[in-house]
Amino acid sequence: AAGVIQSPRHLIKEKRETATLKCYPIPRHDTVYWYQQGPGQDPQFLISFYEKMQSDKGSIPDRFSAQQFSDYHSELNMSSLELGDSALYFCASGGIAGTGYNEQFFGPGTRLTVL
Amino acid sequence: GENVEQHPSTLSVQEGDSAVIKCTYSDSASNYFPWYKQELGKRPQLIIDIRSNVGEKKDQRIAVTLNKTAKHFSLHITETQPEDSAVYFCAASLPGFQKLVFGTGTRLLVSP
Repeated sequence: AAGVIQSPRHLIKEKRETATLKCYPIPRHDTVYWYQQGPGQDPQFLISFYEKMQSDKGSIPDRFSAQQFSDYHSELNMSSLELGDSALYFCASGGIAGTGYNEQFFGPGTRLTVL
Repeated sequence: GENVEQHPSTLSVQEGDSAVIKCTYSDSASNYFPWYKQELGKRPQLIIDIRSNVGEKKDQRIAVTLNKTAKHFSLHITETQPEDSAVYFCAASLPGFQKLVFGTGTRLLVSP
């Protein structure tokens, strides 16, 4: 079965640089969620999109922005990177239309390292 | 907002023993409670979930129970195996494709 695809899998950036993370949800899923997970921490919700519209926003810095495109893939844009942005970034896909189920399936993640 | 507490933070058992992880949530409107297993550097993997209209759910060696009155839910793993060693996260979600709020995780170590 098709799974969530994220790219790149690893990313190394310098401080103050920008980064773009991409997520391709499971086909027919209409909701995309972004989570950030620091070392030894639980995943923290950043932002979500339903049918290409932002549906919820969590503890996402103003330096970060995201959008969902017409093909349902989503991109997380991160600017003015700081050392503290080093983390695993997961995209999760969910919300099969019409079922009301909130199962969320996670992609493999992007490991961002800021030097 | 929703807050989820998880205990214990670490759990060591012998192979074949049972393991129980407990979580409590704060928002009585939450209606979906998944459990994820995460190995080091890997993605959280959904292993079982329960909805608020069900009190118990079982899938082979794993089971989850939900007590809505007390606002707590638990993961039970029987006949543990070394490959069960991982970090387990509970989570809660409000209705309508809402975000997941995670517990702080339990590191389970199963010794042969």
